[in-house]
Amino acid sequence: DTAVSQTPKYLVTQMGNDKSIKCEQNLGHDTMYWYKQDSKKFLKIMFSYNNKELIINETVPNRFSPKSPDKAHLNLHINSLELGDSAVYFCASSQPLRRGETQYFGPGTRLLVL
Amino acid sequence: AQTVTQSQPEMSVQEAETVTLSCTYDTSESDYYLFWYKQPPSRQMILVIRQEAYKQQNATENRFSVNFQKAAKSFSLKISDSQLGDAAMYFCAYRRGSGGSNYKLTFGKGTLLTVNP
Repeated sequence: DTAVSQTPKYLVTQMGNDKSIKCEQNLGHDTMYWYKQDSKKFLKIMFSYNNKELIINETVPNRFSPKSPDKAHLNLHINSLELGDSAVYFCASSQPLRRGETQYFGPGTRLLVL
Repeated sequence: AQTVTQSQPEMSVQEAETVTLSCTYDTSESDYYLFWYKQPPSRQMILVIRQEAYKQQNATENRFSVNFQKAAKSFSLKISDSQLGDAAMYFCAYRRGSGGSNYKLTFGKGTLLTVNP
């Protein structure tokens, strides 16, 4: 049983294209996140949604647009892809108000922009 | 803003021996959580251990334990009886405790652990 799943796992595309990454969690969590891991392995928050409402937007370019159709899904759409967007993108979910909560991560999507 | 610092980019240990990974953090909050995550070559992020700031007792999970020094803002991970499968990138992470809605994880830059047979 996959708790947090992402599709696709690998994405190779040309500069200027538009692409989407999908994320789904079956844990019943209210909050979902997108993190970006750069080439130096540094992980940083991009967005967070709580019950379909955007609560964190960490100065991410407007070309990145998260969409949450329901609390089990958080998709990431990227317009006009640039070379610097190449990274691994992780989706995560949690139930933050539950004491001792943990963020569960998806397997990551490796994006390569050529 | 909270920051997390891992001062050891790389560490190595002999199989069956013990290694300690360092982490320090900076925060003005009193209620928070600290985590160690493991990322093997498969790139899956795996929770290793979690510590709640209000608990004085150090967390332990089998061969993994932490040394949590709240006053010093230090949170080190000790791996005992190291195994080849422990080889991975280890990330220290901070999360605020309660209040508001910003529950993001703030990560350190990671420590790459090599286990030598």
